Amino acid sequence: AQKVTQAQTEISVVEKEDVTLDCVYETRDTTYYLFWYKQPPSGELVFLIRRNSFDEQNEISGRYSWNFQKSTSSFNFTITASQVVDSAVYFCALSDLEMDSSYKLIFGSGTRLLVRP
Amino acid sequence: NAGVTQTPKFQVLKTGQSMTLQCAQDMNHEYMSWYRQDPGMGLRLIHYSVGAGITDQGEVPNGYNVSRSTTEDFPLRLLSAAPSQTSVYFCASSLVKRTGLYEQYFGPGTRLTVT
Repeated sequence: AQKVTQAQTEISVVEKEDVTLDCVYETRDTTYYLFWYKQPPSGELVFLIRRNSFDEQNEISGRYSWNFQKSTSSFNFTITASQVVDSAVYFCALSDLEMDSSYKLIFGSGTRLLVRP
Repeated sequence: NAGVTQTPKFQVLKTGQSMTLQCAQDMNHEYMSWYRQDPGMGLRLIHYSVGAGITDQGEVPNGYNVSRSTTEDFPLRLLSAAPSQTSVYFCASSLVKRTGLYEQYFGPGTRLTVT
């Protein structure tokens, strides 16, 4: 069965610090997709990244970077030089192609990030 | 291009009442879904649809019904509201192919309170 674990419930950092949000997933499938979404205090959900299981290259987008390691079933998200506007809840999610779970997106419980000025 | 719209934004129901949460998208996406968000539990999938006339259950389908008569609309019906259904409900849509789901576009959410 699919499962996504975000063990860090809440993280607090001071502006300009780097911070890493952990995501560990479980799936029996060899083909799957991992996602990160951001939910700022206003409540909307914002897509950040989609990664397929065959692409283990790390990705960087500005101050954001993602480290995908199949060996440890992890897809961690790092924010470099954090800013107050990064304060939000961040969700990791998994979708695989198993027969009984095709097209289901399973979310972790989220990590609340607070960046203090 | 409005994206994904949801109505109402807020709703208060009494136990036992029924209601329909509306969701519409104008991006011609085949895939639509409903989630509920409860504190500390992330988003949980209620129902989803991969096209008009096709629906399927998610993780927490009990107490909810859906139908998909058009590509654009995917209403969620609460048959007999219970306090346990107090939550924030999000509708989402995305492209989908045999290779899997693409990024989902979320609506602004409906905050439902059942007393």
